[in-house]
Amino acid sequence: DTGVSQDPRHKITKRGQNVTFRCDPISEHNRLYWYRQTLGQGPEFLTYFQNEAQLEKSRLLSDRFSAERPKGSFSTLEIQRTEQGDSAMYLCASSPRTEKNTEAFFGQGTRLTVV
Amino acid sequence: AQKVTQAQTEISVVEKEDVTLDCVYETRDTTYYLFWYKQPPSGELVFLIRRNSFDEQNEISGRYSWNFQKSTSSFNFTITASQVVDSAVYFCALSFSQGGSEKLVFGKGTKLTVNP
Repeated sequence: DTGVSQDPRHKITKRGQNVTFRCDPISEHNRLYWYRQTLGQGPEFLTYFQNEAQLEKSRLLSDRFSAERPKGSFSTLEIQRTEQGDSAMYLCASSPRTEKNTEAFFGQGTRLTVV
Repeated sequence: AQKVTQAQTEISVVEKEDVTLDCVYETRDTTYYLFWYKQPPSGELVFLIRRNSFDEQNEISGRYSWNFQKSTSSFNFTITASQVVDSAVYFCALSFSQGGSEKLVFGKGTKLTVNP
């Protein structure tokens, strides 16, 4: 068990560019979450996958954001036409469906800076 | 509305002092779960405790203890004899048992600094 892995750890991009982040959850976990955290705030939910199905999306997830989990393993989060307001830490978490509301295990996050 | 309030933005203590981090939550659900996570400077959220709404027993784990009171909708966290390594941002979070994603709703966090 190597924990939740996110890549890259840091990304600096120019406004208007597209960026893609990757998350590798803990291998036996079928639930995967993306959260966004801005400075001085707690993480905010973006989207949820159960296996390969994207079952819930937050209103925070505008049309410029898309997430996939094609084979129910790793997931990608793409932001198109980045804006300065997209600058944040993007956190991925996974959990097993062994019992109700079990704890989520978080990765170290991808810090995005849009200049 | 589901909401978690951590009124203390920052706390600074001297090593070996006891410190309590407050958490107040709002929910209309009768079944819900409360969590505490620690976020050290490295950024990774580390799970500390999970408690369901039907279990009001207080819990102690080493220097950590948690006080859950449904009557005041609070789930406070106490660190006894604090150490420099306890310096981090601590988040309280709430999730609901309505099926679906069981996503976490976080408070804004309390930044704890323990000075030597």
